Amino acid sequence: AQSVAQPEDQVNVAEGNPLTVKCTYSVSGNPYLFWYVQYPNRGLQFLLKYITGDNLVKGSYGFEAEFNKSQTSFHLKKPSALVSDSALYFCAVRDTLYNFNKFYFGSGTKLNVKP
Amino acid sequence: GAVVSQHPSWVICKSGTSVKIECRSLDFQATTMFWYRQFPKQSLMLMATSNEGSKATYEQGVEKDKFLINHASLTLSTLTVTSAHPEDSSFYICSASGRDREAFFGQGTRLTVV
Repeated sequence: AQSVAQPEDQVNVAEGNPLTVKCTYSVSGNPYLFWYVQYPNRGLQFLLKYITGDNLVKGSYGFEAEFNKSQTSFHLKKPSALVSDSALYFCAVRDTLYNFNKFYFGSGTKLNVKP
Repeated sequence: GAVVSQHPSWVICKSGTSVKIECRSLDFQATTMFWYRQFPKQSLMLMATSNEGSKATYEQGVEKDKFLINHASLTLSTLTVTSAHPEDSSFYICSASGRDREAFFGQGTRLTVV
């Protein structure tokens, strides 16, 4: 079965410091991987995706993620955190083998950036 | 990115009534639309997947007679919560996707059943 895991419920970081939000995946077939951000009482906003190509993917708002096939990871990173980055982050994988329509979401990681 | 509009943003209804939530993809044709339910401080729970012109595929444990989904066109899907009860109160989110694309999400609907 396809799945993603976000091992951290919460990540705390000081403004200006680099941040990492972890995600590991388990898929059959080629992974289509995504990161989304959710602000309170809002839907999810797309940040970036990995379909194929360069392992380092750059996305919106200065975020990037590195696809690591050997470690089956797709960690979200940003060199310098902003207080406004505080939100809930979801990693997701799209099923490319059994049901292409289906997305699987991680449990979410709450990012707290303190001034 | 593409825009998905979900309406209403919030709704309060009386127990026993029905509520309809609309999800529109404004600038692309969505071959597939998804409906999720999100409980406080939890991830999204997929309720159903709908393809234009065909019946929705419901996830296990989701009552298809209670949560009616219609995907009449490539730009519109609706979720109707029938005979709503307080336990149906939740945050409902739709998303739309084309093949080989990321999913784009609506802003969500906060449903409160009193």
